Amino acid sequence: GAGVSQSPSNKVTEKGKDVELRCDPISGHTALYWYRQRLGQGLEFLIYFQGNSAPDKSGLPSDRFSAERTGESVSTLTIQRTQQEDSAVYLCASSYGGRLNTGELFFGEGSRLTVL
Amino acid sequence: ILNVEQSPQSLHVQEGDSTNFTCSFPSSNFYALHWYRWETAKSPEALFVMTLNGDEKKKGRISATLNTKEGYSYLYIKGSQPEDSATYLCARLYNQGGKLIFGQGTELSVKP
Repeated sequence: GAGVSQSPSNKVTEKGKDVELRCDPISGHTALYWYRQRLGQGLEFLIYFQGNSAPDKSGLPSDRFSAERTGESVSTLTIQRTQQEDSAVYLCASSYGGRLNTGELFFGEGSRLTVL
Repeated sequence: ILNVEQSPQSLHVQEGDSTNFTCSFPSSNFYALHWYRWETAKSPEALFVMTLNGDEKKKGRISATLNTKEGYSYLYIKGSQPEDSATYLCARLYNQGGKLIFGQGTELSVKP
């Protein structure tokens, strides 16, 4: 079946604009993760969903960031009033999940965000 | 402290060399340790998921060990090939239901 799909693959926006990044996980995967990688840095945890619930939002950098997931499927990461430091590759991943959720993550190809 | 530490940060080896990297993590409340390979212009791909102290896993020329009591995992590559060039990431699962925190990665370059 299809892998994790992310859109857009590239987004260039002006400082202060809002952006939405979309993630379509693998069908049947209950867990969904958002990470970002800023230039020269590692993978930074943002948020994860178990079903449609987000048990841990502690990784969201500020209140300009929000995420939602509907139908235990598509997730949207929204960044309001973008700043230059938001420029990064935003990666989405899904896994089969379950209560222990030790399953491997399957990553999308990422959305590269550039804030001018 | 949730830090997952990896060393070395980068490694340059010749084709045919064997090499190993280290992943260190807090040992309390351990659930699982993941290893991923991230090639340039691609997405990270899982190598291993390890859950038990003393676990050893192998995939071709790549193997990994896990010590949950002292909080470390080693990844070994035997007879490195240029196609092994990638960033190798480890990640620790911090709670049931899935907060997975990654280390900074070890960037491996294998020269022919």
